[in-house]
Amino acid sequence: GESVGLHLPTLSVQEGDNSIINCAYSNSASDYFIWYKQESGKGPQFIIDIRSNMDKRQGQRVTVLLNKTVKHLSLQIAATQPGDSAVYFCAENPHQTGANNLFFGTGTRLTVIP
Amino acid sequence: NAGVTQTPKFQVLKTGQSMTLQCAQDMNHNSMYWYRQDPGMGLRLIYYSASEGTTDKGEVPNGYNVSRLNKREFSLRLESAAPSQTSVYFCASRAGTIDNEQFFGPGTRLTVL
Repeated sequence: GESVGLHLPTLSVQEGDNSIINCAYSNSASDYFIWYKQESGKGPQFIIDIRSNMDKRQGQRVTVLLNKTVKHLSLQIAATQPGDSAVYFCAENPHQTGANNLFFGTGTRLTVIP
Repeated sequence: NAGVTQTPKFQVLKTGQSMTLQCAQDMNHNSMYWYRQDPGMGLRLIYYSASEGTTDKGEVPNGYNVSRLNKREFSLRLESAAPSQTSVYFCASRAGTIDNEQFFGPGTRLTVL
């Protein structure tokens, strides 16, 4: 399968601080990337996506940065809140199949300290 | 609009028993997926269905079978459960052939004794 890795398995931040979650991917053919949030006991929930023709995309309190040169993806969460505590996964589509399947990293657990 | 629903939410099986996990989506999506998630790991694709009438193996298909019953429903069957199949199973769906996100169900937590 595709290798999608994360630099840190856990991250703890103070409430109100900004969080940065990193992800490395290995397939240079990947041109679509997604960040998912998974709360305990729930299914993954879409946060934001980015295509390879962009290097930055912003959502509500979240920003995804893509550096294709070093095959690195990051998720920035502004003013982190207790409700942001969850496991965050990056996923990539290397277009290895006609179904545009996603390959997921192992996840980073974000803990927000009140 | 319920999104992606899965039944059951929890299940305990004995080794060798069989069962079917059900998944349905009401978003008129073409593609559907079954993943398993083991502790401390990401999601691994078991089987997928790119469109109604087609199914294909994913990364970890051994010990599983699937049926795309219609556009809405995609079931996963364990014919002879093994302890190694203890996991949380997620179903997902996606709209079409262009790049877009997958929507996930709440998961089924399966324990095989």
